[in-house]
Amino acid sequence: GAVVSQHPSRVICKSGTSVKIECRSLDFQATTMFWYRQFPKKSLMLMATSNEGSKATYEQGVEKDKFLINHASLTLSTLTVTSAHPEDSSFYICSARGKNYGYTFGSGTRLTVV
Amino acid sequence: DQQVKQNSPSLSVQEGRISILNCDYTNSMFDYFLWYKKYPAEGPTFLISISSIKDKNEDGRFTVFLNKSAKHLSLHIVPSQPGDSAVYFCAASAGTGAQKLVFGQGTRLTINP
Repeated sequence: GAVVSQHPSRVICKSGTSVKIECRSLDFQATTMFWYRQFPKKSLMLMATSNEGSKATYEQGVEKDKFLINHASLTLSTLTVTSAHPEDSSFYICSARGKNYGYTFGSGTRLTVV
Repeated sequence: DQQVKQNSPSLSVQEGRISILNCDYTNSMFDYFLWYKKYPAEGPTFLISISSIKDKNEDGRFTVFLNKSAKHLSLHIVPSQPGDSAVYFCAASAGTGAQKLVFGQGTRLTINP
């Protein structure tokens, strides 16, 4: 079956630094990647959608300069949280979709900004 | 504007009995619905889906029912097992292609031995 690998699973960083999260589709070409954020005991909120080789489309209220998304290849997308602050602490999840492949989620990244 | 709603934050069911999780939606453009199971600190795992052209889809112990006129879908798990204890999310999308999923708030299912 389709597998999406997301790294790191946990990261702790200092306030003001940047953190990069990677999402890889291991056995299929992900033409579209989705990045979600989940607050404790809340739903998954879509942050942005990216298609390979194109700029990401951000949801309303999501700062594109703070959450940089790159989808440079059909198997890799990255989310960089720039100048992280404690309020950015959250659980971030990627999802990939390709031709003949449905929505497959990564295992998530727990970001803690101290 | 919560387009997909799961009004029960939690549900407790005895092992062996049927678990019924409910989901309502407001956007009539939604035509594809999915159920995901999620453990803490993990990504969602796909369970079952249904297209709007159907009203029922079954896969082993899992059955999803869709009532388009009521804009309501439900997930039935029978018989319920302790390993089914998790948070269940329903999600919906509109149109063809790689459309974004809109998730409900989730329902925490606990199966009691």
